[in-house]
Amino acid sequence: SQTIHQWPATLVQPVGSPLSLECTVEGTSNPNLYWYRQAAGRGLQLLFYSVGIGQISSEVPQNLSASRPQDRQFILSSKKLLLSDSGFYLCAWSVRAGTGELFFGEGSRLTVL
Amino acid sequence: AQSVTQPDIHITVSEGASLELRCNYSYGATPYLFWYVQSPGQGLQLLLKYFSGDTLVQGIKGFEAEFKRSQSSFNLRKPSVHWSDAAEYFCAVDSGTYKYIFGTGTRLKVLA
Repeated sequence: SQTIHQWPATLVQPVGSPLSLECTVEGTSNPNLYWYRQAAGRGLQLLFYSVGIGQISSEVPQNLSASRPQDRQFILSSKKLLLSDSGFYLCAWSVRAGTGELFFGEGSRLTVL
Repeated sequence: AQSVTQPDIHITVSEGASLELRCNYSYGATPYLFWYVQSPGQGLQLLLKYFSGDTLVQGIKGFEAEFKRSQSSFNLRKPSVHWSDAAEYFCAVDSGTYKYIFGTGTRLKVLA
């Protein structure tokens, strides 16, 4: 069966520090991968999605970036965090062919102080 | 641009009462429609989905949703709510371009 792992679960970082959130998917090949951010009362905001290794589409211009170094690995990064980067970050995957449901990780809570 | 509107930010119902959560979408064609549920501090779980065919779809945990093209709606329903249904519910649309658009969510509180 397929599983998705996301870490760290909780992170407290000072303003201006770097960020790296990692996500890996097991039990499937060639998934579409996604990073969402969830802020209170604002639903889920799509940040990045990827349809293949090295292929990243950015939905919201900001100081975050994403990379896909391997087929089932998706990394969210920042060189310098802002207070506004605080939130709950969710990684998700879907099957490559056609449209199907999104499968979500358990999320990473980021607090920037 | 595609959009999803969930007009109710919070809903409170008594245990055993019926439930309807509203969802309206904006899209030129019939999109793929989803309802997800999120427990506090956790990821989202799919309740049900609509792609085509029968406009009344059944999901897990006793939920159902009805697609109404004329109203651009996909409302979620449950005949009798259980205390364990307290969570946040998200409606989502996929236009077939690999991008899923989510509503802002409805937080459900269940009174004992």
